[in-house]
Amino acid sequence: TQLLEQSPQFLSIQEGENLTVYCNSSSVFSSLQWYRQEPGEGPVLLVTVVTGGEVKKLKRLTFQFGDARKDSSLHITAAQPGDTGLYLCAQNSGGSNYKLTFGKGTLLTVNP
Amino acid sequence: GAGVSQSPSNKVTEKGKDVELRCDPISGHTALYWYRQSLGQGLEFLIYFQGNSAPDKSGLPSDRFSAERTGGSVSTLTIQRTQQEDSAVYLCASGPSPQQKTQYFGPGTRLLVL
Repeated sequence: TQLLEQSPQFLSIQEGENLTVYCNSSSVFSSLQWYRQEPGEGPVLLVTVVTGGEVKKLKRLTFQFGDARKDSSLHITAAQPGDTGLYLCAQNSGGSNYKLTFGKGTLLTVNP
Repeated sequence: GAGVSQSPSNKVTEKGKDVELRCDPISGHTALYWYRQSLGQGLEFLIYFQGNSAPDKSGLPSDRFSAERTGGSVSTLTIQRTQQEDSAVYLCASGPSPQQKTQYFGPGTRLLVL
């Protein structure tokens, strides 16, 4: 089973700061999904990246997929308290087109 | 429209008791998934239902765990003879079709086994 390593595990910053979180694997991803999970809720899909080198932007969030498709990053500009949550990366596992393997996530706290 | 709903939202039980967790998927979604989220382990796939096909049960951790989906809609996850290590958040997700990989998650059921 392909393992997804996310870093850092915890991140606490002040409102207005920038941050980057990472998702890495020893194997190539076919595609990668990023989710945000707020306390007491289920994960919500933010983006899916498919092509090596791909960059996608979602307001203040920028997602990059590594050229070799073995790593991905999420950069947040001018973080806000509403960005607080658990950021998870996930990919299809075991040759399945439906079974997701998740990383353990980065728990982000943005303090006002 | 209505999202995925799960009940109960919280469940406290005693070791050895059986529990049933319910998931109501988004109407019209043919795919339904169960995951378990525990501290230090992240989200683990448990089981997948797609239409009338045989479910993929490869993620169920033991034979104490079972799930069914009636009429292609509501699903129930049953844990028999609960153990303390079963304490976790159990998340259900649904998807519109096997080709559409997006999964829509419910809020989860928080299970605590004393």
